[in-house]
Amino acid sequence: SYDLTQPPSLSVSPGQTASITCSGNKLGDKFVYWYQQKPGQSPVLVIHKDSKRPSGIPERFSGSNSVNTATLTISGTQAMDEADYYCQAWDIGTVVFGGGTKLTVL
Amino acid sequence: QVQLQESGPGLVKPSETLSLTCLVSGYSITSGYYWGWIRQPPGKGLEWIGTIYPSGTTYYNPSLKSRVTISVDSSNNRFSLKMSFVTAADTAVYYCARVSQSYHFNSGQNHHYMDVWGRGATVTVSS
Repeated sequence: SYDLTQPPSLSVSPGQTASITCSGNKLGDKFVYWYQQKPGQSPVLVIHKDSKRPSGIPERFSGSNSVNTATLTISGTQAMDEADYYCQAWDIGTVVFGGGTKLTVL
Repeated sequence: QVQLQESGPGLVKPSETLSLTCLVSGYSITSGYYWGWIRQPPGKGLEWIGTIYPSGTTYYNPSLKSRVTISVDSSNNRFSLKMSFVTAADTAVYYCARVSQSYHFNSGQNHHYMDVWGRGATVTVSS
């Protein structure tokens, strides 16, 4: 089975840049998707096709994917960005999620 | 605006079958998307359960495939999940979602992702 690895947690100060990584074997050969989940809420898609923002997602969210690592970058992080973030890929007919990264803004 | 709403029993006994339904509103379930189920155990991450296309094509998580059936009820614009022989490990919030595809040129495959999610239904497995 295919595995995606994320750091369990990340802390960032307001206004700084948060970079959340997602690692997998030859991940650059797949599309990566990112979801934001706030406590008690459903996940929300924030990045699709590695770097595309769905309508309504702020420009401070961006994504990249190369070789074995994908990165979700939040520029000028705000308190409202505090959440769990999950990466996701598609591998041989299955949806695979990373373990999630808890982003703390303090 | 498409909306999804999960419904079903909140408590299921061990060894019995979990049954959930996802009602889709604001969009016809037969109009070109896949539809899927994802779950999240308390305090843990997301786990994909499976996906269905209204024509009947299905994809299942290999670790759950032997216990899971996803089906579509086009006449009522809804789809369902059945999971048999449940245990306490199946206690989770169950989400239904609309599944979109991105064509990946290099792999020649359509890659699936969830672009609209329901609010989730909490299911507890306990006697």
